[in-house]
Amino acid sequence: EVQLVESGGGLIQPGGSLRLSCAASGFTVSSNYMSWVRQAPGKGLEWVSVIYSGGTTYYADSVKGRFTISRDNSKNMVYLQMESLRAEDTAVYYCTRDGSSGWYSEIWGQGTLLIVSS
Amino acid sequence: QSALTQPASVSGSPGQSITISCTGTSSDVGGYNYVSWYQQHPGKAPKLMIYDVSNRPSGVSNRFSGSKSGNTASLTISGLQADDEADYYCSSYTTSSTLGVFGTGTKVTVL
Repeated sequence: EVQLVESGGGLIQPGGSLRLSCAASGFTVSSNYMSWVRQAPGKGLEWVSVIYSGGTTYYADSVKGRFTISRDNSKNMVYLQMESLRAEDTAVYYCTRDGSSGWYSEIWGQGTLLIVSS
Repeated sequence: QSALTQPASVSGSPGQSITISCTGTSSDVGGYNYVSWYQQHPGKAPKLMIYDVSNRPSGVSNRFSGSKSGNTASLTISGLQADDEADYYCSSYTTSSTLGVFGTGTKVTVL
């Protein structure tokens, strides 16, 4: 079964760091575009970052320089390393597998909640 | 990059058809056939319903259909059912960002 399972969310103080993990099963992450999408409480969806099959990465302006997306092919995992966290980063973070055209997310994880608060 | 514009809410009775609009510009919706639609029930992850304007993933009911005219994309739900009550988001490729752009979201209520 094709599945994504996120972990690593929690409560962190402003300025802190945290790494989110996304475990994939049923397919190979290195052969796909993989993204992170977040949703602040009661708000809409926001693209955060993408890693292409070739390894190229892109970020939303709101997280550029603070977040880093990566993957471990041997573990079939995708990560989001988050630094200098702010209150406005509070959200549910979803890991997704993008479709063949690269411009839609066809598989979504259940999400992991990050709360940035003192 | 500004979010694509969707109506805040749309409602309909069971069995009726409703249409949700998603308005952008020639730099996103109007210029490329990369519009997708997602359904999100409360507390759940989004689910892909339509991709590349009008394609339905395997397993998605044919009551859901997508189209585009100019800078506006549309999602039509026919034969409205109680389980269709959810939030719906559109998304599109955009020249203004290296990532896509989402719509503002529409809450669908089944009366």
